[in-house]
Amino acid sequence: GIQVEQSPPDLILQEGANSTLRCNFSDSVNNLQWFHQNPWGQLINLFYIPSGTKQNGRLSATTVATERYSLLYISSSQTTDSGVYFCAAPGTGANNLFFGTGTRLTVIP
Amino acid sequence: DAGITQSPRHKVTETGTPVTLRCHQTENHRYMYWYRQDPGHGLRLIHYSYGVKDTDKGEVSDGYSVSRSKTEDFLLTLESATSSQTSVYFCASGLSMNTEAFFGQGTRLTVV
Repeated sequence: GIQVEQSPPDLILQEGANSTLRCNFSDSVNNLQWFHQNPWGQLINLFYIPSGTKQNGRLSATTVATERYSLLYISSSQTTDSGVYFCAAPGTGANNLFFGTGTRLTVIP
Repeated sequence: DAGITQSPRHKVTETGTPVTLRCHQTENHRYMYWYRQDPGHGLRLIHYSYGVKDTDKGEVSDGYSVSRSKTEDFLLTLESATSSQTSVYFCASGLSMNTEAFFGQGTRLTVV
């Protein structure tokens, strides 16, 4: 299956700082999703973004499918942004999402 | 939010006993998935279904079976639970394999 790599693995931010999380994938994709797993374990959909750029409040995401990467931007971070961020994509001919191992974000007040 | 519920949310069971986890969705999604989440591995696919009675294996299917008798329900069964199956299990659903997938709240299973 497709290889999905995320960086950095860990990130600590002061409240109010901005950050960029990266997701690289090894094959062409027609579906890419970003999720936030909060400290209670819930997986929350952030973006469904096979290509292009989307914004939702302080978060935005860009996928450049031809170069096989996606970026998640978090601006003016808040303590509630803490948790693990996952990207996931299906491989060619695959019927499911393959997940990266995540970026653990800690926002300190 | 998509209506996907898992039950039970927490379970402790003994080695060798059978266990069934249930996933119920109200979105009329065709595809349903079972993943397990373990430290250092992210989420890995156990089994998935692409329609009623249509299922297939995922990356880590050994020791698990599934059934889907109705569009809205997808059951995961551990025939004889082992300690290596201690994990957090997530169910997901989607209209198709290339559309957005939505996840349930997760089930924390401990096998002692």
